[in-house]
Amino acid sequence: NAGVTQTPKFQVLKTGQSMTLQCAQDMNHNSMYWYRQDPGMGLRLIYYSASEGTTDKGEVPNGYNVSRLNKREFSLRLESAAPSQTSVYFCASLRGASNQPQHFGDGTRLSIL
Amino acid sequence: KQEVTQIPAALSVPEGENLVLNCSFTDSAIYNLQWFRQDPGKGLTSLLLIQSSQREQTSGRLNASLDKSSGRSTLYIAASQPGDSATYLCAVITELSSNTGKLIFGQGTTLQVKP
Repeated sequence: NAGVTQTPKFQVLKTGQSMTLQCAQDMNHNSMYWYRQDPGMGLRLIYYSASEGTTDKGEVPNGYNVSRLNKREFSLRLESAAPSQTSVYFCASLRGASNQPQHFGDGTRLSIL
Repeated sequence: KQEVTQIPAALSVPEGENLVLNCSFTDSAIYNLQWFRQDPGKGLTSLLLIQSSQREQTSGRLNASLDKSSGRSTLYIAASQPGDSATYLCAVITELSSNTGKLIFGQGTTLQVKP
């Protein structure tokens, strides 16, 4: 099984450009999450989707939008990229019960020039 | 607001040493606490999950303990090996977020085990 797949793995953008980060899971999980990881700051939650058809803001949602396209896919969109959004972005999924561990993708490394 | 702290930020030990990684959290109202491993350029892999009602969990050479009242958890690694070199992250789910699974992470401890 592939688990959680993120595309692309690397991307360089110019300030003001837009981009969508893709995430798909093949484990039939209900909940999906987008985090960003910055040096010295751990992972911070951007948005999450507790179930298909619902999305909610996390700790750092400004500048981002999300779409839960179906149960498998959860995308993150940067409408107008800013240098402060340079980061490593991780998608994760969870079957549904919080007493289970989340499964993470390998990340998208995004640089905004 | 729940905050999670991991000290030290980096640790270097010789192979074979037993070691302890520390994690502290400010609000004891947690649902569970989780330890993850992250290899360079990779995502996170779950190591151990401790429910709020539990005191410890063990997996192979790893043992994680939880003391809710003091807001602390430790990850004990026995007989460390070079393959244990990675960043170890601690995260909690608060009681209020138990139905959403939202994790709050510490900054991580980067471990280097020297042959």
